[in-house]
Amino acid sequence: AQTVTQSQPEMSVQEAETVTLSCTYDTSENNYYLFWYKQPPSRQMILVIRQEAYKQQNATENRFSVNFQKAAKSFSLKISDSQLGDTAMYFCAFGRTRDDKIIFGKGTRLHILP
Amino acid sequence: EAQVTQNPRYLITVTGKKLTVTCSQNMNHEYMSWYRQDPGLGLRQIYYSMNVEVTDKGDVPEGYKVSRKEKRNFPLILESPSPNQTSLYFCASSFGGSSYEQYFGPGTRLTVT
Repeated sequence: AQTVTQSQPEMSVQEAETVTLSCTYDTSENNYYLFWYKQPPSRQMILVIRQEAYKQQNATENRFSVNFQKAAKSFSLKISDSQLGDTAMYFCAFGRTRDDKIIFGKGTRLHILP
Repeated sequence: EAQVTQNPRYLITVTGKKLTVTCSQNMNHEYMSWYRQDPGLGLRQIYYSMNVEVTDKGDVPEGYKVSRKEKRNFPLILESPSPNQTSLYFCASSFGGSSYEQYFGPGTRLTVT
């Protein structure tokens, strides 16, 4: 069975610091997609970043970047210059192209402290 | 405005009383999906649909039904709800399949007593 593991249930960092959220996954597939979604207290789910497994280059979106290590099956999210608005639950997700299923991790609750 | 809408947003019901949660998207997306979110368990996919009249089971389909008669709508049906289906439910849609960004609805908080 496909699994997505987020080993940090909760984290806190000071505003302006850099924080890294970890995500590992288990798969025998070669073609898939990885995502990080943010869920702020409003509950609205928002895409942060998307990575195509066949691309070696790490995806970036402004202050958000990933470290994608395909052989290690690792997909961590780095948030630079963290802001109070980054306080949210973050979910890592695996998109399996074989049958279009999507598997989410259990989430990491991130607190940005003033 | 491009969006996914769900109704109702909040629902309290009793065990065994059939209910339907509606989901509609106005982006002409092919792919639609239902998830449930529970504390400590993250989001789990219930059912998904790649197109009209095409539906597939996710990881937790037991106790749920779906239908996709029109491209824009993907209702979730609980024919005999039980307390273990108390959860936060999200509908989502995407341009095509699991490789694309999912656009989520605002969520439906369901309580079954």
